[in-house]
Amino acid sequence: DTGVSQNPRHKITKRGQNVTFRCDPISEHNRLYWYRQTLGQGPEFLTYFQNEAQLEKSRLLSDRFSAERPKGSFSTLEIQRTEQGDSAMYLCASSSPVAYEQYFGPGTRLTVT
Amino acid sequence: GQNIDQPTEMTATEGAIVQINCTYQTSGFNGLFWYQQHAGEAPTFLSYNVLDGLEEKGRFSSFLSRSKGYSYLLLKELQMKDSASYLCAVRDNQAGTALIFGKGTTLSVSS
Repeated sequence: DTGVSQNPRHKITKRGQNVTFRCDPISEHNRLYWYRQTLGQGPEFLTYFQNEAQLEKSRLLSDRFSAERPKGSFSTLEIQRTEQGDSAMYLCASSSPVAYEQYFGPGTRLTVT
Repeated sequence: GQNIDQPTEMTATEGAIVQINCTYQTSGFNGLFWYQQHAGEAPTFLSYNVLDGLEEKGRFSSFLSRSKGYSYLLLKELQMKDSASYLCAVRDNQAGTALIFGKGTTLSVSS
C-alpha cells in the first residue's frame, strides 16, 4: 500500500499565473476528494470524484478552479489566474467503495506572491 | 447548514489521559470521524463512529451521542508524539459524501 501521493509538494507562483497539482490515490480506491486547508482551520471540501465522474463541487470552487480525473485513476486540480487568497495547502484524499474513511495525501502547499 | 465546535487548544502531561470534545449540528448526520494532524503533515484517520457508544482502538477511544450531537476523543497514556492537532469531522447526507471538519484542537503534551 503506497498511500495517496501528491505532486508537487510545494509550489511558489506569482499572482496571475496558472498552476496544476496532481494526486494519485490508493490504487483500489474509486473515490477521490480535493480539500483546501489554511492555517488554523480544518480542511474545506472542494470537489469529489467517483471513478471519472465529478459528482460534487463546493461553492468554494470558483470558475478559476477546475479538476479532472480522466481515467478514474489520478486527478489534477488546476487554478487559473492565481490570487494571493489561493495560498493554502491543497489536500487530496481517497476512499474505497466499501468504507467511509478517507485517506489523505501529504498535500501541495501553494504560495502565491 | 453544519456547525462543528471543538476547543482550540489543550495541554496535558506525559502519561496522563485527555478528552477532546466535539459538538456538531447537521441536517442529516451520517457518521463522525476523528483525524490526527501533525504540523505540516496530512491528516491521518483515527476513528469512525456512526452509532452511539464507545469505540476503542488501542490508546485512543471515541464516543458518540447522536441525540446530543456530541463526541469525544479519549487519549490514554499520553506520549510526546501525541502533540498534534485533532480534527473532528462529520458526514452530512445534505452535503453529500464530503467530510465537514471542525477547526481542530491543538494538543500539547509536556514531560
